[in-house]
Amino acid sequence: DAKTTQPPSMDCAEGRAANLPCNHSTISGNEYVYWYRQIHSQGPQYIIHGLKNNETNEMASLIITEDRKSSTLILPHATLRDTAVYYCIVRVVRGWDFNKFYFGSGTKLNVKP
Amino acid sequence: DAMVIQNPRYQVTQFGKPVTLSCSQTLNHNVMYWYQQKSSQAPKLLFHYYDKDFNNEADTPDNFQSRRPNTSFCFLDIRSPGLGDAAMYLCATSRDRGLVQETQYFGPGTRLLVL
Repeated sequence: DAKTTQPPSMDCAEGRAANLPCNHSTISGNEYVYWYRQIHSQGPQYIIHGLKNNETNEMASLIITEDRKSSTLILPHATLRDTAVYYCIVRVVRGWDFNKFYFGSGTKLNVKP
Repeated sequence: DAMVIQNPRYQVTQFGKPVTLSCSQTLNHNVMYWYQQKSSQAPKLLFHYYDKDFNNEADTPDNFQSRRPNTSFCFLDIRSPGLGDAAMYLCATSRDRGLVQETQYFGPGTRLLVL
């Protein structure tokens, strides 16, 4: 039931910006976009989320297109420790349905020296 | 620090032998989730509790059960583990559910090996 599409892998040079795209063309008006990452053998770690405005925090920036059908997660200065699988998730809301996260297949980001 | 704790981190069981995985949280969150993550795959939601209200995903096998005796603890019971149940099991919590945004906080996971 995943509602997101991501490239399976990407490479990024250390110190450069990493731009991770995500398509969510069937997103509904009240559904948020979340980004998590999972470093090998650990639990997913929250990065950022947004509804329609661009968002920035200490970890990353989230750019959402005006039609909300796609978004980009930006890590401004990637380090080797940012090597992980990055999941773009649409938080499904149906009426008073529950806070369900359906994970897409994720993007394996390889940060190289 | 408030957190989601899963014990043990690694669990070995035998084919068909019941096993229980545990999760505890110090966040005082109302909602607790269990996910299954097989190798090289994304996490898949099995079920969740909103307070004491249990909510099963339609495709979760009957072999998987859950208990939540109080706000802080939630257990995943696998009644007769098969080789296909070997996976990482992730517990997560969220403060609430509903229309407003609610971040989920994940524990480190328990990796289950079935021999």
